[in-house]
Amino acid sequence: DQQVKQNSPSLSVQEGRISILNCDYTNSMFDYFLWYKKYPAEGPTFLISISSIKDKNEDGRFTVFLNKSAKHLSLHIVPSQPGDSAVYFCAAGKAGNQFYFGTGTSLTVIP
Amino acid sequence: GAVVSQHPSRVICKSGTSVKIECRSLDFQATTMFWYRQFPKKSLMLMATSNEGSKATYEQGVEKDKFLINHASLTLSTLTVTSAHPEDSSFYICSARERGNTGELFFGEGSRLTVL
Repeated sequence: DQQVKQNSPSLSVQEGRISILNCDYTNSMFDYFLWYKKYPAEGPTFLISISSIKDKNEDGRFTVFLNKSAKHLSLHIVPSQPGDSAVYFCAAGKAGNQFYFGTGTSLTVIP
Repeated sequence: GAVVSQHPSRVICKSGTSVKIECRSLDFQATTMFWYRQFPKKSLMLMATSNEGSKATYEQGVEKDKFLINHASLTLSTLTVTSAHPEDSSFYICSARERGNTGELFFGEGSRLTVL
C-alpha cells in the first residue's frame, strides 16, 4: 500500500512561471516531509523539508506547503528555470523511523 | 534556519576500503542524529540513531561493525563504512535534532557513495 503518492507523473511549465508539485500521504502520524530532486543518472539531492508543526517553509525559489488536515503537501518553484528540470520526489515519515517516498514527478521547464 | 551539512556529498572508493561521512549541525547543538540509507526506488531506511556521548542504536539488520557511527560532540556525527563493497553503494543521509526530544529535525543534503 503506497503511503506517499505523487499522482502526476509529469509536469511541463514555461520558464519564469510557477511550478507546483503535489504529494499526498495516508499516515496522520507522519511528522516530517521532504522533497528531493533527481537528475538523470544521478542520485537524489535533498531540496527542502518541513515539519508537521509548520504549514510553510521557504528557501529561495522553493516553498513547501503542508496541509495536515488534507494530508497533502506541495512544492512551489517560483520562478521556474530550465535547470529545475528533473524528477522530484516527496518523502514522508516519522522522526526516528523509516521514510516513504512517492513515485516522483518529472518536471520539464520549457525555455 | 538551522543547517545540517554532510561531507562529502559524493565519494567514489575501491572495494575493501573504508569511507567516512560526516554530519555536522552548523548552528545548533544536536543531541540526536539519525542516519538513513536510500535504496533505488525504495524508501529511506533508518540505519541507526546516534546520541551524543553514547553508543549508537542500530536498526535490525544493520551491521554495526560495518557501519560505524560516532557522535563525539554535539555538532558532529560520523558514519564510517568499513571494508566497503559494491552493494554498499547508496545514498546516505543524516538528520539532526536540536537539544531535547521535541526539537525540530533538520536534514542533511545526503552523501552519494559509489564503491567500485
